[in-house]
Amino acid sequence: TAGITQAPTSQILAAGRSMTLRCTQDMRHNAMYWYRQDLGLGLRLIHYSNTAGTTGKGEVPDGYSVSRANTDDFPLTLASAVPSQTSVYFCASSSSVGGSYNEQFFGPGTRLTVL
Amino acid sequence: ELKVEQNPLFLSMQEGKNYTIYCNYSTTSDRLYWYRQDPGKSLESLFVLLSNGAVKQEGRLMASLDTKARLSTLHITAAVHDLSATYFCAVVPGYALNFGKGTSLLVTP
Repeated sequence: TAGITQAPTSQILAAGRSMTLRCTQDMRHNAMYWYRQDLGLGLRLIHYSNTAGTTGKGEVPDGYSVSRANTDDFPLTLASAVPSQTSVYFCASSSSVGGSYNEQFFGPGTRLTVL
Repeated sequence: ELKVEQNPLFLSMQEGKNYTIYCNYSTTSDRLYWYRQDPGKSLESLFVLLSNGAVKQEGRLMASLDTKARLSTLHITAAVHDLSATYFCAVVPGYALNFGKGTSLLVTP
């Protein structure tokens, strides 16, 4: 079982360009999340989706957008990248029961550098 | 504003020694997680603590939770080099994880 896959593994992107980070899970989890990890700041939530067709903003959503067309995929798009979006991006997923969310499983991450 | 504070943020310890990492949080959470991250890798779940007084152990690591004090501890017993990593605690006041900044642990001979 693959769990969660992310693509690409790493990317160097010119400022002003757009890019979509892909995330796919095969665990049929209803909830999915995008975090960014920066040295000294830990992991911060960008966007989340509790179920297919719905999304919500996290702590640091500016400059990012997401969609959740189906259960398995949760792409993160940077419409016009800026250097401050240089980071490691982690996708995660979890199941929920009765409104309570279970353990989150993390993908391998995408290392993005914006120049 | 929710705060999740870990201390220490950096820890260098000798093999064979014991030490405790602390995680304080500022709001009610029905569960607390501990994750491990090796350099350049993803996060690996270590423990899920679900109730006040919960204690879980895996090898040389033991985690506990005091919901009244809003405090969790991760105790390391007789450290070995393989435990060198960054350890994060996280709470879930709603739907998503709120992480501490992590404790970078280095175990030296």
